[in-house]
Amino acid sequence: DIVMTQSPDSLTVSLGERATINCKSSQSVLYNSNNKNYLAWYQQKPGQPPKLLIYWASTRESGVPDRFSGSGSGTDFTLTISSLQAEDVAVYFCQQYFRTWTFGQGTKVEIK
Amino acid sequence: EVQLLESGGGLVASGGSLRLSCAASGFTFSNAWMSWVRQAPGKGLEWVGRIKRKTDGGTTDYAAPVKGRFTISRDDSKNTLYLQMNSLITEDTAMYYCTTPYYDILTGHFTYFAHWGQGTLVTVSS
Repeated sequence: DIVMTQSPDSLTVSLGERATINCKSSQSVLYNSNNKNYLAWYQQKPGQPPKLLIYWASTRESGVPDRFSGSGSGTDFTLTISSLQAEDVAVYFCQQYFRTWTFGQGTKVEIK
Repeated sequence: EVQLLESGGGLVASGGSLRLSCAASGFTFSNAWMSWVRQAPGKGLEWVGRIKRKTDGGTTDYAAPVKGRFTISRDDSKNTLYLQMNSLITEDTAMYYCTTPYYDILTGHFTYFAHWGQGTLVTVSS
């Protein structure tokens, strides 16, 4: 199984400041034949199902604000919220879909 | 609009069984792969298992913690996905979500989970 490890487990950021979440996979999720990273990011607010934010490591889902961006390749990935808003308070999960599906443990983002 | 509606959750004693259902609409269910994902209270997301579409063999795959105890099936005539859970243990207590991996035409692969149901809560008592 591919193990996904996120850091940090929690993050406290001031409104308008940058939030950065890291995700590391135990093996590469880069599919060589199409040069795509099989990595997605989700946002989950209390009492709600997860919401897709980013796929292919850096492609923003339709309707997701452009303050959310994804980067990285191979085994190391980052989700960045460029200017944290109050509505971004949530838990964020990375997920690999290279081989079945596994999720990171989640990163809780709060306002300072 | 894709809609996934789970049902069948509830309180069950350890060692018992429960069957969850997921009614799907807004897409061609028979063409889709379907999955279950669970989330224990206050914990992260855990993929439970997947069933392929019949044209891909209709085969199933499961996460290690549930293999041999859980069975995923589908009824394409009813646009419904099922999760039969047997020999339940307290560690199976979780919200269970129905989801479908997005089929990416360019790669030919089933990929990320763009749509999720609201979930159904399963509580296993000791």
